[in-house]
Amino acid sequence: NAGVTQTPKFRILKIGQSMTLQCAQDMNHNYMYWYRQDPGMGLKLIYYSVGAGITDKGEVPNGYNVSRSTTEDFPLRLELAAPSQTSVYFCASSSQGARTEAFFGQGTRLTVV
Amino acid sequence: GNSVTQMEGPVTLSEEAFLTINCTYTATGYPSLFWYVQYPGEGLQLLLKATKADDKGSNKGFEATYRKETTSFHLEKGSVQVSDSAVYFCALTFNTNAGKSTFGDGTTLTVKP
Repeated sequence: NAGVTQTPKFRILKIGQSMTLQCAQDMNHNYMYWYRQDPGMGLKLIYYSVGAGITDKGEVPNGYNVSRSTTEDFPLRLELAAPSQTSVYFCASSSQGARTEAFFGQGTRLTVV
Repeated sequence: GNSVTQMEGPVTLSEEAFLTINCTYTATGYPSLFWYVQYPGEGLQLLLKATKADDKGSNKGFEATYRKETTSFHLEKGSVQVSDSAVYFCALTFNTNAGKSTFGDGTTLTVKP
């Protein structure tokens, strides 16, 4: 019963490097999300998807890209990493409708130096 | 826009003390309301929820009542344990908003033996 799986758990990037954060869910959820969590702050939505082939920007999309080729996978791409992208990234999924909760992965702690 | 305001932390209590964490929201309409808990090094997980006014959510001894008149969803527990030490997030979601959640900044609870 895996739920939402994120990889890697930790990563250190140099300024200007790129990387992809992987996210997969096995609950057949249509909705998927990427959030970032900065110290002492709540979660800010980066991108979200309501189904395969459909993605849209959240509150803080600059510097990121996503794709959703299958229901299960929702990778987040960082291009040209900057220190401001140092954060903990969470992927989440939910079934359709606001009355259901989101299920979160364990997070990826990213440091850009 | 929508917003969620939580009482500022950190909160430190002795075991068996009474807990209240305040949460108020600003939104147009009637969202679903959630409390999530985040244990160290983990992702968020649902603690309880309420989907309409006057509903009471409860789980593991925690309770919260959806108060439309005061736009509040305060979290309470009668007797906390050391194992309740975690960060608690209040969140709201609308049915017409692709399940996107607005989170408070989180409240860190430490329970001492």
